[in-house]
This record gives sequence, structure tokens and C-alpha cells, in this order.
Amino acid sequence: DAKTTQPPSMDCAEGRAANLPCNHSTISGNEYVYWYRQIHSQGPQYIIHGLKNNETNEMASLIITEDRKSSTLILPHATLRDTAVYYCIVRVRGTSYGKLTFGQGTILTVHP
Amino acid sequence: EAGVTQFPSHSVIEKGQTVTLRCDPISGHDNLYWYRRVMGKEIKFLLHFVKESKQDESGMPNNRFLAERTGGTYSTLKVQPAELEDSGVYFCASSHVGSSDTQYFGPGTRLTVL
Repeated sequence: DAKTTQPPSMDCAEGRAANLPCNHSTISGNEYVYWYRQIHSQGPQYIIHGLKNNETNEMASLIITEDRKSSTLILPHATLRDTAVYYCIVRVRGTSYGKLTFGQGTILTVHP
Repeated sequence: EAGVTQFPSHSVIEKGQTVTLRCDPISGHDNLYWYRRVMGKEIKFLLHFVKESKQDESGMPNNRFLAERTGGTYSTLKVQPAELEDSGVYFCASSHVGSSDTQYFGPGTRLTVL
């Protein structure tokens, strides 16, 4: 799986949009971009994934550049409960390629 | 729909003892994964079941770790004998087989070996 690079930490004011960047310059054509987060010591929580088109769900939006070498996770209205470690993972989909490879992630702190 | 459940939530054992962790995946999920996070380190993959078969066990640290998934439902991860470096949080995840294979994680089991 391709390696990803994320800033170690970011801050965001409550109510504002949090934009978390991820570089994956060696991503292959069949690799998806996944985002997970881990709040305190809870289990990682799935947020969103995409291949090349921008995606949106009830939690977040995912913007992938046209060359697919980077992406941005957007939390449109961050709350204090969004404080967590956010992981950007690239991975081929399908049973044979199962495992997720976690890096250090970005520690997002949302402050009042 | 119930999520992935893990038992126990915490376990404290002495070095040399045996501990068995259990994971119940989301109903209907044939893929089951084990991961762990040791203090200060990244979350690392341990192994992957498809139903009752081990698809990938490349992350298992050594032969003190034994994972089973008899019947293709719940899974157990046994550590025997436990060592100090086995302390950490053990996560289980499950997913459907096929294209919709997003992994959903359980709350984890925190293992402390004294």
C-alpha cells in the first residue's frame, strides 16, 4: 500500500471547518483513500473513502486532487467531540488486500 | 445493527500467564481482522480471517499468539505465555467480503502484562 504523509497536529476553532491534508504521491490507480479517526483510546472510527471523485457523507467531505496525489478531509463544522487522531490510509479494495496500514495520523484539537 | 464487540474491555495478567481475547464481528461480515497498538506506537495489523480461514497472518509477532475463528463467527486471540511487551490495546474489525469491504472496529481490549 502507498505511504501517506500527514501533518502531526492541527488546531481548529469550534464551529469552523477543519481541513486535514494528506499526501499520497505514490498512490496506484486502483488504490482508494480512506479516512479513519480515533477518539481517545476508542476503536478507530471509519469516516469516508474515495477513489478519484469528491465524496460527502453525514460526517465529512473528501476532496481528492485530479492527479490523486493528495487529498483533504473536511469537517464542515467542527465540534469539541471531533478532537481525535485522524488517519489517512490508501488501500486497494477487496478481500485479498484486507489490512489497513496506519501511520502516525494528525492530532486534531478543536478548541472553544 | 450491533457493532463489533470485544471482551474483555480490560485484562491485567502476570507475565507467563495466558489470556484469551474475544471478538464478535458484525453479523454477516465474513472478514475479521485483529490489530494492536502498543504504547507509543502505531496501530499494527496482526491477522485477517475470511470466514474460518486465515487469509493473512503476516503481522502475528510470534508463536505465542494463536488466533482462531471456528465456525466463521466469533474469533479468539490467545496469548500464551504473555510477556511484558504484549501490553497494549487489541482491536478487532470486521467487513463484508467483496467491493464493499469497509472495516468497522470494535472498542478494543486493553491488555496489561505485569
